[in-house]
Parts: sequence; C-alpha cells; structure tokens
Amino acid sequence: DVVMTQSPLSLPVTLGQPASISCRSSQSLVYSDGNTYLNWFQQRPGQSPRRLIYEVSYRDSGVPDRFSGSGSGTDFTLKISRVEAEDVGVYYCMQGTHWPPWTFGQGTKVEIK
Amino acid sequence: EVQLVESGGGLVQPGGSLRLSCAASGFTFSNNWVHWVRQAPGKGLVWVSRINNDGSSTSYADSVKGRFTISRDNAKNTLYLQMNSLRAEDTAVYYCVVSLHYWGQGTLVTVSS
Repeated sequence: DVVMTQSPLSLPVTLGQPASISCRSSQSLVYSDGNTYLNWFQQRPGQSPRRLIYEVSYRDSGVPDRFSGSGSGTDFTLKISRVEAEDVGVYYCMQGTHWPPWTFGQGTKVEIK
Repeated sequence: EVQLVESGGGLVQPGGSLRLSCAASGFTFSNNWVHWVRQAPGKGLVWVSRINNDGSSTSYADSVKGRFTISRDNAKNTLYLQMNSLRAEDTAVYYCVVSLHYWGQGTLVTVSS
C-alpha cells in the first residue's frame, strides 16, 4: 500500500499569513496515463470533508484561489496564500493512483495563533 | 445540487450486522464510482470500499474484506454497505463519497456491548 506522510501535523498560523502543508508518498503517484492522482481535502470542525484540489493542482469549483496545490512524483504541497478564519480545520492529502486501497495522509490541523 | 444522504447507522453489539444506505440526488448517479470512507472518533479518514458505475467491480480495504459488502441500485440512486461481524474497531462515522469529490454528511456506527 502507498503510505502518505503529511507534515506538519499541527500548524498554528496568523490570520493573513501564508501556510504550507507537505505530503509525501512512499512511491511515485504518476499513473500509466501520465496523470498524477493526488487530492487535497479540507474538513472544518463538525463538518464532512470537502475536496479542494484534484490531480495535484486543479482547484474544485468554489474553492478560493488562495488555495493552491503543487508538486510531482512523491512530493506535494498545499499552500494557503493568506489564511482566513474559515480555513481552520484539518487538511488531508489522498492518493488515487495505486488502488486499492486509496490512502490518506494523517491530516494536518490548521489553527489560528 | 448534489445531495448524498446516509442512513442506517446506530448502536450494534460486537458480532452484529448493519446495513448502511446512501441516497443520491442532483446528478447522474449511474455515471459515477462511489466509495465508503470512515472516520473513527477523533481520528483521520480511512477508505473502506468502492464500487464502479454498474456495480460489476468492487474493492475493499483489508480490514473489512470478507465482512463488508458494497452494492448499488442505480434505479433507486442508492448505495449500500452491508456490514457483518462488526468489531469495536469498526466504530466510526461512515461517509458516502462520489467520485472522491462529493461527500455525504455521514452516519455514525457504534459497535459496543
């Protein structure tokens, strides 16, 4: 199984400042079709998860452009350019290249300092 | 608007069974793969099972293989998860997830004597 490792696991941030979350996979996430199936999800307190980013860098509809995804191979990053109060929650990366199983990272808890 | 409504959760004794349902609306259900993802209290997201568009292909996490069965009724726009031989470690909120994009609100399964 592909192991997804996120860092940090806890991220205190100041409102208006940038934030960055790293996600590393135990093997390359490039699929045979050339695409890389790496997703990012946000889970606000008390809510269901919501997908923010798919295929490394494509934002889902309605996702603010302060969220961006980047990376390749085994190293990926989610960046928030300027953190807002509504961004508090837990963020998960998830790979959909080598399945089954689809595997998630441990989650990174973003909180306001 | 995409809507996914899970039901069927509850308290069950170890060794017991439950059947979860997920009613879908607002999109063409039969065109999409659907997954079950679970989240134990205070823990991260774990993929459980997946079914393809027409129900001809399924996948399971090792932890539930042989005990859980995923199925769908495209005429009723409904996904199911039959859970047998339940264990305490199956206690979690179970989410129905379409195309790893749209999530339901989840249904809580508690396995306890």
